[in-house]
Amino acid sequence: KNEVEQSPQNLTAQEGEFITINCSYSVGISALHWLQQHPGGGIVSLFMLSSGKKKHGRLIATINIQEKHSSLHITASHPRDSAVYICAVHGSSNTGKLIFGQGTTLQVKP
Amino acid sequence: GAGVSQSPSNKVTEKGKDVELRCDPISGHTALYWYRQSLGQGLEFLIYFQGNSAPDKSGLPSDRFSAERTGGSVSTLTIQRTQQEDSAVYLCASSPGFISNQPQHFGDGTRLSIL
Repeated sequence: KNEVEQSPQNLTAQEGEFITINCSYSVGISALHWLQQHPGGGIVSLFMLSSGKKKHGRLIATINIQEKHSSLHITASHPRDSAVYICAVHGSSNTGKLIFGQGTTLQVKP
Repeated sequence: GAGVSQSPSNKVTEKGKDVELRCDPISGHTALYWYRQSLGQGLEFLIYFQGNSAPDKSGLPSDRFSAERTGGSVSTLTIQRTQQEDSAVYLCASSPGFISNQPQHFGDGTRLSIL
């Protein structure tokens, strides 16, 4: 079993829909990242959080440390949101290296 | 140049050859990471440098892989006697320091294809 599991693996939505991507992890962590990777493009860090909730534009990320679970929400989705969304965690040993989920491929149709 | 720079962006080579991949981190970033993304797979950690400390090499898949970081800045990932399973996108990232709650900034990667 992977230390970081994402669901769903693939997601297709209509423009305007509310989207949720989930991430569960089995290790102790010091921080969790949500990353975005466009086809053929580089990786961009969307959020880094260790507790609570963060919001940036139409994106919201939450984390529940006790349940070892995080969610990424996209409100009013748009075709330009189509990308791979990756959850990654820093282990509690604080080495700095990231442990990655397998990614969720999101396609938003107009 | 504000971002992490990797070169080459694409590399095609024959099986058995050695390859060198280069990463220029953001100026002032003391932490540097190498990751690999194989086709259809997730990202995996390879190696991590922090300042003058000994690197964390725990992710290197075999002794054919090595990396160095000269002067605390530029890093080179070397793969000797390449195999077809080495084909992947190799990503470099840097961050301001050792503290794990600092975001990592990724380069665009080097796409390595072994024929």
